[in-house]
Amino acid sequence: QVQLQESGPGLVKPSGTLSLTCAVSGDSISSSNWWSWVRQPPGKGLEWIGEIYHSGSTNYNPSLKSRVTISVDKPNNQFSLKLSSVTAADTAVYYCARGGSSLHSDFDYWGQGTLVTVSS
Amino acid sequence: DIQMTQSPSSLSASVGDRVTITCRASQSITSYLNWYQQKPGKAPKLLIYAASSLQTGVPSRFSGSGSGTDFTLTISSLQPEDFATYYCQQSYITPWTFGQGTKVEIK
Repeated sequence: QVQLQESGPGLVKPSGTLSLTCAVSGDSISSSNWWSWVRQPPGKGLEWIGEIYHSGSTNYNPSLKSRVTISVDKPNNQFSLKLSSVTAADTAVYYCARGGSSLHSDFDYWGQGTLVTVSS
Repeated sequence: DIQMTQSPSSLSASVGDRVTITCRASQSITSYLNWYQQKPGKAPKLLIYAASSLQTGVPSRFSGSGSGTDFTLTISSLQPEDFATYYCQQSYITPWTFGQGTKVEIK
């Protein structure tokens, strides 16, 4: 059974950097899947942030690209998200998810999500 | 970016009703359309992928259809556990984008 678990600070100061990690179990981060981050502001819809392949190849949402870095940690079977220069608009539940193995990603496994609040 | 528009934004229905939700893409996405169910405080759950393929373990009362720009999710007989918010997502080209969601409420 594939499981994903997000971890990281629940509170980040404005202009700071949000950092989250997603630990994967039941599958190898080096499998043929892409690994994504998706966020959901309180009471709103879903926004894809970006994805990474075990080779280190990444795709980012252009709306966030200048502030986002996604990296992979193969020895620990996890991947991470860094979002810089955060504002209150970045307050959201952040999910990690397993994407597809082709060029076309559906998300079949998700973490439970972690709420990150941007506030001083 | 490809814009995904769902309709309606919300609906009220009774147990046993047939429910249809529509998703329209701003350009052709062939059959690269997925549907998710999300309950309050929970992560989304994949229901349908590639427009009409049922994800393993999802009840057969859920079905999807469509291609090009117009897609539908149908629940043939609404059950109490189906009251939730439903999202479509295009997987044709990055950035992957979602519809705004359709909330299915109890009438």
